[in-house]
Amino acid sequence: AQSVSQHNHHVILSEAASLELGCNYSYGGTVNLFWYVQYPGQHLQLLLKYFSGDPLVKGIKGFEAEFIKSKFSFNLRKPSVQWSDTAEYFCAVTPSGGNYQLIWGAGTKLIIKP
Amino acid sequence: GAVVSQHPSWVICKSGTSVKIECRSLDFQATTMFWYRQFPKQSLMLMATSNEGSKATYEQGVEKDKFLINHASLTLSTLTVTSAHPEDSSFYICSARGLLAGGDNEQFFGPGTRLTVL
Repeated sequence: AQSVSQHNHHVILSEAASLELGCNYSYGGTVNLFWYVQYPGQHLQLLLKYFSGDPLVKGIKGFEAEFIKSKFSFNLRKPSVQWSDTAEYFCAVTPSGGNYQLIWGAGTKLIIKP
Repeated sequence: GAVVSQHPSWVICKSGTSVKIECRSLDFQATTMFWYRQFPKQSLMLMATSNEGSKATYEQGVEKDKFLINHASLTLSTLTVTSAHPEDSSFYICSARGLLAGGDNEQFFGPGTRLTVL
């Protein structure tokens, strides 16, 4: 069965630290990949997405992610986090050409200490 | 970006009553809408997928007679929780997918509806 795994459920960092959140998926075919963010009390927002082309994708607020097909991974990175990045981050995958049902990871709660 | 609204944002109801939640795509036509349920400290659970003008497709374990979904137009889908019970209390989120400029069929999420059943 298709699944998405996020390695860390909770991450605590200090401001200016570098961030990498892991995401691995299991699906044999072509996929579209997403990272969503949910700030406290707010709705889900798209951070970035990969459909095709350059596997290094840049998103909003300085985030980027790299699709490594051989590793079935789509890790999220940010070189220097800010207190305002405190939020929950969700990785999601959908098989290409389907009805775009998203398969979700369990989420990673990120807390940035000021 | 595209905007999806939900109404109401929160609702409290008595056990046994029915509650209707609306999901609207404000500036695009949504060919497909998705309904999710989010439990505290957990990820989203897909409940059903609805395409405009056709019956919704429910995920395994989701009672279609309890969670009625209507996708009557390209900008509106409704979820009705019938005969609600306390265990139906949850955060319900809709998302919409449609062709936008650029062609990417990504999903856009509503702000969610907090349902509390007493």
